[in-house]
Amino acid sequence: AQKITQTQPGMFVQEKEAVTLDCTYDTSDPSYGLFWYKQPSSGEMIFLIYQGSYDQQNATEGRYSLNFQKARKSANLVISASQLGDSAMYFCAMRERQDSNYQLIWGAGTKLIIKP
Amino acid sequence: SQTIHQWPATLVQPVGSPLSLECTVEGTSNPNLYWYRQAAGRGLQLLFYSVGIGQISSEVPQNLSASRPQDRQFILSSKKLLLSDSGFYLCAWGALAGAPTDTQYFGPGTRLTVL
Repeated sequence: AQKITQTQPGMFVQEKEAVTLDCTYDTSDPSYGLFWYKQPSSGEMIFLIYQGSYDQQNATEGRYSLNFQKARKSANLVISASQLGDSAMYFCAMRERQDSNYQLIWGAGTKLIIKP
Repeated sequence: SQTIHQWPATLVQPVGSPLSLECTVEGTSNPNLYWYRQAAGRGLQLLFYSVGIGQISSEVPQNLSASRPQDRQFILSSKKLLLSDSGFYLCAWGALAGAPTDTQYFGPGTRLTVL
């Protein structure tokens, strides 16, 4: 079964509009971390935002915020006031315990295109 | 600040040839190091990780191997490349192996094409 599900393979959004990228996860571990990364066409994977399973408040980093709904096991990324430079692939990832270590498990990604 | 380097940036190799990709990290000590592969249009697949010099854990059985000869150096190798080894290879570092909060930071990647 998929541990990380990103249901939107691609999205087109008008510049300056807000964007919500969906991510649902599956884990039985009470201690886990959720991450969003941006991958522009250059290929580099850029860390955006982190949410811990015990965090009471939703994480925010500038124009990025994470809508964390623990009971629903969702961790959607919200980008406010989108810009042309936001066009990229976006990956949701979950860090959970596997054996004696914590590993990142990745979703398939969402391709976001911002239209001028 | 920490910096992670990878080279080469791109590589075209024939089937059956050897491979060596290098990753180095600056600005931190005793990092946890990771090799990922990304097929076109897909998410990341963890190949190897290392918590210290000479300590390598393999996640996926394959014809690839990894080594960590120095604290901040991580090498991905193959003796004979297969067509299926084509992809984008990303190296990453993190500070805490035993915590869910550890953020991994990635290098610029190596795009490998096996012909």
